Amino acid sequence: QLQLQESGPGLVKPSETLSLTCTVSGDSINGSFTYWGWIRQPPGMGLEWIGSIYYTGTTYYNESLRSRVTLSVDTSTNQFSLKLRSVTAADTTIYYCARHRLTSTRRRPVYFDLWGRGTLVTVSS
Amino acid sequence: DIVMAQSPATLSVSLGERATLSCRASQSVSNNLAWYQERPGQAPRLLIYGASTRATGIPARFSGSGSGTEFTLTISSLQSEDFAVYYCQQYATWYTFGQGTKLEIK
Repeated sequence: QLQLQESGPGLVKPSETLSLTCTVSGDSINGSFTYWGWIRQPPGMGLEWIGSIYYTGTTYYNESLRSRVTLSVDTSTNQFSLKLRSVTAADTTIYYCARHRLTSTRRRPVYFDLWGRGTLVTVSS
Repeated sequence: DIVMAQSPATLSVSLGERATLSCRASQSVSNNLAWYQERPGQAPRLLIYGASTRATGIPARFSGSGSGTEFTLTISSLQSEDFAVYYCQQYATWYTFGQGTKLEIK
């Protein structure tokens, strides 16, 4: 059974870099119809897509976060990762990783069909 | 960006009753819309994609409808496990989510 699990520090200092990893178990990260994405839940707001990555390294980013975000993938460990630079208190929230499905009719991925439980990251000194 | 607006913010419904949740897009997304359920402490779950197609393993009491800018998620007979927060998401132009509807027991 495919599962996703987020991991990383729960506390990050302002101006530093938030780093999270998502471990995929039960399936290979090399799936041909699968991107792997990150989503977060800012307080009082809806969910916010951060970015998605294919196993080849092809990435899509939310334009509002692009300047601070880097996604990477490690097929040898079946993991993909998020780095968010120059964090502030506004980046304090729950971060989710998810499988982001491709379909045969669309060039970009579409919906997120499997999610991790999320991990809370607090930005504070 | 396409803005997704969900209503109501909170919906109180009794067990066994029908719940109707709405999602409106700021511009047409055709049928490129998904619905998710989030229970406390659990991973969000995909319910509906393509506006009306149930995801694998989703009970038939969940149904989605709509196209363009107006969408509805209907839960025909509420079970205790259905009380959760529901989000819509468009994938016509990048990816944006609504703010969620909290479905609570009346």
